[in-house]
Amino acid sequence: GENVEQHPSTLSVQEGDSAVIKCTYSDSASNYFPWYKQELGKRPQLIIDIRSNVGEKKDQRIAVTLNKTAKHFSLHITETQPEDSAVYFCAASAGKSTFGDGTTLTVKP
Amino acid sequence: DTAVSQTPKYLVTQMGNDKSIKCEQNLGHDTMYWYKQDSKKFLKIMFSYNNKELIINETVPNRFSPKSPDKAHLNLHINSLELGDSAVYFCASSQDVGPGGYTFGSGTRLTVV
Repeated sequence: GENVEQHPSTLSVQEGDSAVIKCTYSDSASNYFPWYKQELGKRPQLIIDIRSNVGEKKDQRIAVTLNKTAKHFSLHITETQPEDSAVYFCAASAGKSTFGDGTTLTVKP
Repeated sequence: DTAVSQTPKYLVTQMGNDKSIKCEQNLGHDTMYWYKQDSKKFLKIMFSYNNKELIINETVPNRFSPKSPDKAHLNLHINSLELGDSAVYFCASSQDVGPGGYTFGSGTRLTVV
């Protein structure tokens, strides 16, 4: 089955800096890669996704890149703000989604 | 209107009891899921139903039994609760069984004492 590894498990940045979270996957059949943000005590919410026929996607301050050959994809957050503090999950899907173990991002004001 | 709603939000119960969690989605999605999130925040799939049919059943104790009376509802019944069952249980739905984003419910925090 699919195996998704996510790094780092914790990330602390200063407000205004960039943050990068990386994931690797094992199943070459995976063709959909969503990212979820989970604020403390809340539900995970889809923030951006990318399909395997696209190499990069951007939505305001967040962007995702995908390298199918290397089987890795990354989330980039620019100009971080305290409200970006949350747990971020990557996932890989060829049907059902397999989630990474999450990255706790802390943005210090 | 809440897209995916779960009840109850909190559940505290004693070991050995039987409890149920209910989930309903009004998005018209075909596929529904149950995920367990433990104290380390890991999200692990338990079950998935597509149009009332069970399509994913991960290695979950058979004390856990999902039931889908129709494609808008997926309930989770747990028998003989154990301390290790304490976690947050999330229901989720997606458009179809193929790749697509999930909409999660607000979660049910289960505490077994």
